[in-house]
Amino acid sequence: KQEVTQIPAALSVPEGENLVLNCSFTDSAIYNLQWFRQDPGKGLTSLLLIQSSQREQTSGRLNASLDKSSGRSTLYIAASQPGDSATYLCAVGNDYKLSFGAGTTVTVRA
Amino acid sequence: DTGVSQNPRHKITKRGQNVTFRCDPISEHNRLYWYRQTLGQGPEFLTYFQNEAQLEKSRLLSDRFSAERPKGSFSTLEIQRTEQGDSAMYLCASSPTLDRGYNEQFFGPGTRLTVL
Repeated sequence: KQEVTQIPAALSVPEGENLVLNCSFTDSAIYNLQWFRQDPGKGLTSLLLIQSSQREQTSGRLNASLDKSSGRSTLYIAASQPGDSATYLCAVGNDYKLSFGAGTTVTVRA
Repeated sequence: DTGVSQNPRHKITKRGQNVTFRCDPISEHNRLYWYRQTLGQGPEFLTYFQNEAQLEKSRLLSDRFSAERPKGSFSTLEIQRTEQGDSAMYLCASSPTLDRGYNEQFFGPGTRLTVL
């Protein structure tokens, strides 16, 4: 069974600082890895999808890396803003279903 | 197209009652998924459909739960004889028919179920 761990569980940074969110998974036989954002009481917004053959993916201030062999992914958010405050979830794609971590809750202080 | 929609957004029910949720996927998305999320946890997979065929069910989906996707369009998730442990956010997602590596899932806003 795939186990996904996200560290830290919570993070508070001043505005402008870069964010580094970590995700690890136990089974490296994955098809892809997806990062999501979730605001309180809301659904999930897809941020980035990295295919298993890729090493990284970028979208604006977001950059996600994937090291499948070591079972790790990192999400970097450059120059954080208060609007980046949310919970960030990592999800690993085994076949067609996703296995999620518990998330990292980020607070960006103005 | 405004994305995946779910109704109702909130449902409060008494223990023992039956409830039904609806999910409308992004049009032309052949795959539809149901997940359940409890407070402070990530979503957990429940089941998924390829068109109208239900292809996989999690062990979390007890015999009180049933999901359908008639005609391969919208889907319903029914919970019979609800229990307090069923209280959670029920999330629906859809994805287009691409191979596993490209299988990006798009989620709806969820249905928050509270069982009293």
